Formats: sequence, C-alpha cells, structure tokens
Amino acid sequence: GQQVMQIPQYQHVQEGEDFTTYCNSSTTLSNIQWYKQRPGGHPVFLIQLVKSGEVKKQKRLTFQFGEAKKNSSLHITATQTTDVGTYFCAGGGSARQLTFGSGTQLTVLP
Amino acid sequence: DAGITQSPRHKVTETGTPVTLRCHQTENHRYMYWYRQDPGHGLRLIHYSYGVKDTDKGEVSDGYSVSRSKTEDFLLTLESATSSQTSVYFCAISEFRAGGGGTDTQYFGPGTRLTVL
Repeated sequence: GQQVMQIPQYQHVQEGEDFTTYCNSSTTLSNIQWYKQRPGGHPVFLIQLVKSGEVKKQKRLTFQFGEAKKNSSLHITATQTTDVGTYFCAGGGSARQLTFGSGTQLTVLP
Repeated sequence: DAGITQSPRHKVTETGTPVTLRCHQTENHRYMYWYRQDPGHGLRLIHYSYGVKDTDKGEVSDGYSVSRSKTEDFLLTLESATSSQTSVYFCAISEFRAGGGGTDTQYFGPGTRLTVL
C-alpha cells in the first residue's frame, strides 16, 4: 500500500531560525495536505497542494509539491514560539483516504 | 472548529473488556474516519465510513469494528481490548467536493485517550 515517509522526526531550533520538514511518498499522489498538531491538541488542516510543482505561501510558511507529485516540503522562516507542535503531511490517493506521515515534532527554544 | 465531539475523552479499562468510542458530528458530512495515534507512527487509519451503514477497513483494522447507523454518529468498538490498543483515538470527517480532485480536507475531533491495563 501507499507509504508516506517524513523527516526529520524531531527538530529543535532557536527562535528566529528556519525550519524545514520533508515528505516522500512511495507512489504518485493526487494531492498532499499539511496539518499541524499543537501539544495535547488535535491535527488542524493547514493547506492542500494539488498541482505538480505547486508552491503556496501562508505568511512565514512555504509549502512545495514536487514535480513528480511524490514529495513535498514545509519551510518555516524565522520560527516563533507559536510554531511549536507536530507537523504532518498527508498524501491523497485514489480513494477518499489520506496516508499520514509520521510527523515532525518542532521545538522552538526562546 | 468543525462540530465534532468524541466520548469519552479519557478511558482506562482492563484487558479483555469491550470498549466503545463514539464520534458525533453536526456538520452532516458524508465521510467519517477513525485513526489511532502512537509515538513514531503518526496517524494510522483504522476504519472509515462513506455513508450510513457503509464502512471499510483501513490500515490497522484488526481487533476493531465500527458501525454507522446515522449520519452524525460513528462508533468504534474494541471487542476485547488489549494493551497494544492503548493509544489516542481521533475521529475525523470530510466532505468530498465534486471537481475538487482527490481527497478533501479532514477535520478532527478532540481525541480519546484510551489506556488498557
């Protein structure tokens, strides 16, 4: 079945530093979605990418979808303490299901 | 946040006992999902439903069953709980949009923390 790998599993950064998490799928995806989960909370949808090579920005967050639609990345510029949490990518296949990556837990040190 | 509630929010039970978790939505969305979340594994799909009485298995369905008799309720049952089923369980909903391409955004409930002793 479809597998989605995400790295790194953990990342500690100083406030103000940049952060990137990467996602790779074993199969071509119809779309990729990103979610954020704050400590003790539930996953919350951030964005969906559908097109090959697509790049979307949300303030300090930049999301990319690879040309082959098998990989994606999330980059945060100048991290803030409010960015703390676990970021998940989720790949969409042919059915109404998502395959989630294992997540990257971001810690921002003040 | 989408209108999704889960009950109970916390439960401690003993090995071998049956457990039922409830997910209730007020959004009238067609699709509902049950995930479990464990450290290092992200979110893994247990079962999902695409309509009343229409369900299908996910990646980790062994030891779990589901039922959906009404649009708003999706029940997850552990017939005989085991310690390996200690986890945080999330319910999610989504509404496919015609022409949207692929899966749609999923909205998650607050989760149920289940401990099996």
